[in-house]
Amino acid sequence: DAGVTQSPTHLIKTRGQQVTLRCSPISGHKSVSWYQQVLGQGPQFIFQYYEKEERGRGNFPDRFSARQFPNYSSELNVNALLLGDSALYLCASSLDSKGHEQYFGPGTRLTVT
Amino acid sequence: SQQGEEDPQALSIQEGENATMNCSYKTSINNLQWYRQNSGRGLVHLILIRSNEREKHSGRLRVTLDTSKKSSSLLITASRAADTASYFCATPPGSARQLTFGSGTQLTVLP
Repeated sequence: DAGVTQSPTHLIKTRGQQVTLRCSPISGHKSVSWYQQVLGQGPQFIFQYYEKEERGRGNFPDRFSARQFPNYSSELNVNALLLGDSALYLCASSLDSKGHEQYFGPGTRLTVT
Repeated sequence: SQQGEEDPQALSIQEGENATMNCSYKTSINNLQWYRQNSGRGLVHLILIRSNEREKHSGRLRVTLDTSKKSSSLLITASRAADTASYFCATPPGSARQLTFGSGTQLTVLP
Protein backbone atom coordinates (compact mmCIF):
# COMPACT_ATOMS: atom_id res chain seq x y z
CA ASP A 1 0.00 0.00 0.00
CA ALA A 2 1.17 3.53 -0.74
CA GLY A 3 1.98 5.71 2.21
CA VAL A 4 1.03 9.34 2.60
CA THR A 5 1.97 11.31 -0.48
CA GLN A 6 2.55 15.04 -0.75
CA SER A 7 3.10 17.36 -3.67
CA PRO A 8 5.09 19.22 -4.66
CA THR A 9 8.34 18.12 -3.01
CA HIS A 10 9.94 21.53 -3.17
CA LEU A 11 8.54 24.96 -3.90
CA ILE A 12 10.03 28.43 -4.16
CA LYS A 13 7.70 31.42 -3.90
CA THR A 14 8.04 35.17 -3.55
CA ARG A 15 6.72 37.21 -0.65
CA GLY A 16 3.06 38.10 -1.13
CA GLN A 17 2.30 35.12 -3.36
CA GLN A 18 -0.10 32.31 -2.58
CA VAL A 19 0.68 28.60 -2.40
CA THR A 20 -1.33 25.37 -2.39
CA LEU A 21 0.10 22.16 -0.99
CA ARG A 22 -1.51 18.77 -1.55
CA CYS A 23 -1.73 15.58 0.45
CA SER A 24 -3.16 12.13 -0.16
CA PRO A 25 -3.67 9.99 2.95
CA ILE A 26 -3.16 6.29 3.34
CA SER A 27 -6.08 4.35 1.88
CA GLY A 28 -8.77 3.94 4.54
CA HIS A 29 -7.56 6.83 6.67
CA LYS A 30 -10.17 9.52 7.15
CA SER A 31 -8.19 12.06 9.14
CA VAL A 32 -5.56 14.41 7.75
CA SER A 33 -3.45 16.80 9.81
CA TRP A 34 -1.06 19.51 8.66
CA TYR A 35 2.08 20.58 10.49
CA GLN A 36 4.68 23.26 9.91
CA GLN A 37 8.27 22.47 10.83
CA VAL A 38 10.78 25.28 10.91
CA LEU A 39 14.43 24.26 10.75
CA GLY A 40 15.71 23.06 14.09
CA GLN A 41 12.29 22.80 15.73
CA GLY A 42 9.59 20.21 16.17
CA PRO A 43 6.47 20.19 13.99
CA GLN A 44 3.77 22.70 14.91
CA PHE A 45 0.14 21.74 14.43
CA ILE A 46 -1.80 23.78 11.86
CA PHE A 47 -5.05 21.93 11.06
CA GLN A 48 -6.81 18.62 11.45
CA TYR A 49 -9.63 17.46 9.19
CA TYR A 50 -11.78 14.40 9.72
CA GLU A 51 -14.59 13.35 7.42
CA LYS A 52 -14.21 16.65 5.53
CA GLU A 53 -14.77 18.76 8.64
CA GLU A 54 -12.22 20.87 10.48
CA ARG A 55 -11.64 19.24 13.87
CA GLY A 56 -8.75 21.33 15.13
CA ARG A 57 -6.80 24.46 14.37
CA GLY A 58 -3.44 25.54 15.72
CA ASN A 59 -2.20 29.03 16.46
CA PHE A 60 -1.72 30.18 12.88
CA PRO A 61 -3.07 33.33 11.18
CA ASP A 62 -6.07 33.35 8.88
CA ARG A 63 -3.69 33.39 5.90
CA PHE A 64 -3.57 29.63 6.43
CA SER A 65 -6.57 27.61 5.30
CA ALA A 66 -7.24 24.01 4.37
CA ARG A 67 -9.91 21.69 3.15
CA GLN A 68 -10.53 17.98 2.78
CA PHE A 69 -12.16 16.41 -0.24
CA PRO A 70 -14.64 13.50 -0.45
CA ASN A 71 -11.75 11.12 -1.24
CA TYR A 72 -10.08 12.34 2.02
CA SER A 73 -7.21 14.08 0.22
CA SER A 74 -6.44 17.54 1.47
CA GLU A 75 -5.05 20.89 0.43
CA LEU A 76 -3.31 23.50 2.54
CA ASN A 77 -3.41 27.07 1.24
CA VAL A 78 -1.25 29.91 2.44
CA ASN A 79 -1.96 33.44 1.22
CA ALA A 80 0.22 36.56 1.30
CA LEU A 81 3.39 34.58 1.94
CA LEU A 82 5.95 35.92 4.40
CA LEU A 83 9.62 35.02 4.68
CA GLY A 84 8.77 33.34 7.98
CA ASP A 85 6.50 30.86 6.20
CA SER A 86 9.60 29.13 4.84
CA ALA A 87 9.45 25.66 6.37
CA LEU A 88 8.83 21.97 5.81
CA TYR A 89 5.08 21.36 5.63
CA LEU A 90 4.11 17.91 6.77
CA CYS A 91 0.87 16.08 6.20
CA ALA A 92 -0.12 13.17 8.41
CA SER A 93 -2.99 10.75 8.14
CA SER A 94 -4.62 8.56 10.74
CA LEU A 95 -7.59 6.25 10.97
CA ASP A 96 -9.57 8.57 13.20
CA SER A 97 -9.26 11.93 14.86
CA LYS A 98 -8.60 10.75 18.40
CA GLY A 99 -4.89 11.41 18.83
CA HIS A 100 -3.65 7.97 17.89
CA GLU A 101 -0.49 7.31 15.89
CA GLN A 102 -0.14 9.36 12.75
CA TYR A 103 1.58 8.46 9.51
CA PHE A 104 3.55 11.26 7.92
CA GLY A 105 4.29 12.07 4.33
CA PRO A 106 7.74 13.21 3.17
CA GLY A 107 6.77 16.86 3.36
CA THR A 108 6.85 19.86 1.06
CA ARG A 109 9.83 22.18 1.46
CA LEU A 110 8.59 25.74 0.93
CA THR A 111 11.09 28.55 0.49
CA VAL A 112 9.81 32.13 0.42
CA THR A 113 12.21 34.72 -1.01
CA SER B 1 3.86 26.53 23.01
CA GLN B 2 5.67 23.20 23.32
CA GLN B 3 3.89 20.49 25.29
CA GLY B 4 6.87 18.15 25.30
CA GLU B 5 10.52 18.96 25.70
CA GLU B 6 13.25 16.44 24.94
CA ASP B 7 16.52 16.18 26.78
CA PRO B 8 19.30 16.24 25.76
CA GLN B 9 19.05 18.42 22.65
CA ALA B 10 21.93 16.50 21.08
CA LEU B 11 23.54 13.14 21.84
CA SER B 12 26.57 11.54 20.24
CA ILE B 13 27.50 7.90 20.95
CA GLN B 14 29.51 5.06 19.48
CA GLU B 15 27.88 2.24 17.55
CA GLY B 16 26.83 -0.54 19.92
CA GLU B 17 26.22 1.75 22.87
CA ASN B 18 22.78 2.49 24.30
CA ALA B 19 21.08 5.86 23.79
CA THR B 20 18.62 7.33 26.25
CA MET B 21 16.43 10.33 25.52
CA ASN B 22 14.01 11.97 27.91
CA CYS B 23 10.79 13.87 27.39
CA SER B 24 8.84 16.03 29.80
CA TYR B 25 5.34 17.30 29.21
CA LYS B 26 3.03 19.76 30.91
CA THR B 27 -0.60 18.62 30.89
CA SER B 28 -2.46 15.36 31.39
CA ILE B 29 -2.31 12.97 28.45
CA ASN B 30 -4.04 9.89 27.09
CA ASN B 31 -0.93 8.62 25.37
CA LEU B 32 2.60 9.62 24.48
CA GLN B 33 4.26 8.82 21.18
CA TRP B 34 7.82 8.79 19.91
CA TYR B 35 8.75 9.62 16.34
CA ARG B 36 11.99 9.56 14.35
CA GLN B 37 12.94 11.99 11.58
CA ASN B 38 15.83 11.46 9.22
CA SER B 39 17.48 14.62 7.93
CA GLY B 40 14.45 16.91 7.52
CA ARG B 41 12.22 14.29 5.95
CA GLY B 42 8.88 12.90 7.10
CA LEU B 43 8.45 11.55 10.60
CA VAL B 44 8.20 7.84 11.30
CA HIS B 45 6.07 6.60 14.19
CA LEU B 46 8.11 4.45 16.55
CA ILE B 47 5.97 3.59 19.54
CA LEU B 48 2.86 4.69 21.46
CA ILE B 49 2.50 4.22 25.20
CA ARG B 50 -0.85 4.79 26.89
CA SER B 51 -1.27 6.71 30.11
CA ASN B 52 -2.06 3.51 32.05
CA GLU B 53 1.13 1.78 30.87
CA ARG B 54 4.50 2.16 32.54
CA GLU B 55 6.79 0.45 30.06
CA LYS B 56 6.64 -0.77 26.50
CA HIS B 57 9.10 -2.57 24.24
CA SER B 58 9.44 -2.75 20.48
CA GLY B 59 12.53 -4.44 19.10
CA ARG B 60 15.55 -2.46 20.33
CA LEU B 61 13.29 0.30 21.70
CA ARG B 62 12.16 0.59 25.29
CA VAL B 63 9.85 3.38 26.39
CA THR B 64 8.89 4.24 29.94
CA LEU B 65 6.20 6.62 31.14
CA ASP B 66 5.89 8.22 34.57
CA THR B 67 2.65 10.18 34.66
CA SER B 68 3.33 11.41 38.21
CA LYS B 69 6.46 13.15 36.96
CA LYS B 70 5.00 13.91 33.53
CA SER B 71 8.01 12.36 31.87
CA SER B 72 8.96 9.61 29.45
CA SER B 73 12.19 8.07 28.27
CA LEU B 74 13.20 6.33 25.07
CA LEU B 75 16.03 3.82 25.22
CA ILE B 76 17.62 2.53 22.04
CA THR B 77 19.82 -0.49 22.75
CA ALA B 78 22.82 -1.61 20.71
CA SER B 79 22.68 1.50 18.54
CA ARG B 80 23.60 1.46 14.85
CA ALA B 81 24.78 4.19 12.50
CA ALA B 82 21.36 3.97 10.84
CA ASP B 83 19.77 5.16 14.10
CA THR B 84 21.27 8.61 13.47
CA ALA B 85 18.22 10.89 13.33
CA SER B 86 16.14 13.38 15.32
CA TYR B 87 13.79 11.87 17.86
CA PHE B 88 10.61 13.61 19.00
CA CYS B 89 8.09 12.89 21.68
CA ALA B 90 4.51 13.92 20.95
CA THR B 91 1.33 14.00 22.94
CA PRO B 92 -2.31 14.78 22.33
CA PRO B 93 -2.63 17.02 25.44
CA GLY B 94 -5.81 16.57 27.46
CA SER B 95 -8.78 15.91 25.21
CA ALA B 96 -7.10 17.44 22.17
CA ARG B 97 -6.86 15.36 19.04
CA GLN B 98 -3.77 16.89 17.47
CA LEU B 99 -0.22 16.00 18.40
CA THR B 100 2.01 18.49 20.17
CA PHE B 101 5.71 17.85 19.56
CA GLY B 102 8.79 18.70 21.54
CA SER B 103 11.87 20.24 19.98
CA GLY B 104 13.62 16.91 19.55
CA THR B 105 16.89 15.17 20.37
CA GLN B 106 19.45 14.92 17.60
CA LEU B 107 21.12 11.52 17.95
CA THR B 108 24.38 10.82 16.16
CA VAL B 109 25.72 7.26 16.19
CA LEU B 110 29.35 7.09 15.18
CA PRO B 111 30.56 3.96 13.36
